[in-house]
Amino acid sequence: EIVLTQSPGTLSLSPGERATLSCRASQSVSSDHLAWHQQKPGQAPRLLIYGASSRATGVPDRFSGSGSGTDFTLTITRLEPEDFAVYYCQHYRSSPYTFGPGTKLEIK
Amino acid sequence: EVRLVESGGGLVQPGGSLRLSCAASGFTFNNYDMNWVRQAPGKGLEWVSHISSSSSAIYYADSVKGRFTISRDNAKNSLYLQMNSLRADDTAVYFCARVFGNWGQGTLVTVSS
Repeated sequence: EIVLTQSPGTLSLSPGERATLSCRASQSVSSDHLAWHQQKPGQAPRLLIYGASSRATGVPDRFSGSGSGTDFTLTITRLEPEDFAVYYCQHYRSSPYTFGPGTKLEIK
Repeated sequence: EVRLVESGGGLVQPGGSLRLSCAASGFTFNNYDMNWVRQAPGKGLEWVSHISSSSSAIYYADSVKGRFTISRDNAKNSLYLQMNSLRADDTAVYFCARVFGNWGQGTLVTVSS
């Protein structure tokens, strides 16, 4: 089973700042098989990034994904108030298609 | 507009059964693999099960293997999750989600006596 580790657990930043979220896999994951999801309190998750770097439909270009192998990054430039949420990475390399524990992005 | 709408959640006693449904619209359902994902109260996301577009590939998390069955009816644009031998730790909001796509709003399953 591939285990995903996300860091930091909580990230405190101010609107306008840049956020860098990390996702590390216990085994190599093809870039095609890594996704990022955003979840706001009381809402369903929303797909942000698939294929490690492709933005889903309607996702603003301040969100970008990068990485390969075992190390992946979600970057949010110029944080907006609506970006404060929990972010999860997920892989699809092989079953089980596990999620990371999440990074909570909170307003400083 | 892509829509995924779950139904079938509710309160069930330990050892009981429930069948969740997910109605899909706004896209060609039979072209896409689908997942069930759950979230226990106050916890993170847990992948539960996956089914390929043609039902040829089906996978389960170890925590539900042998108790849950995923299926789909492409003619009805619907995804299902049959849940048997339910336990208290199955209590969660259950989401259907298109692989690399939209999520439904979720349906709450509570297992309690």
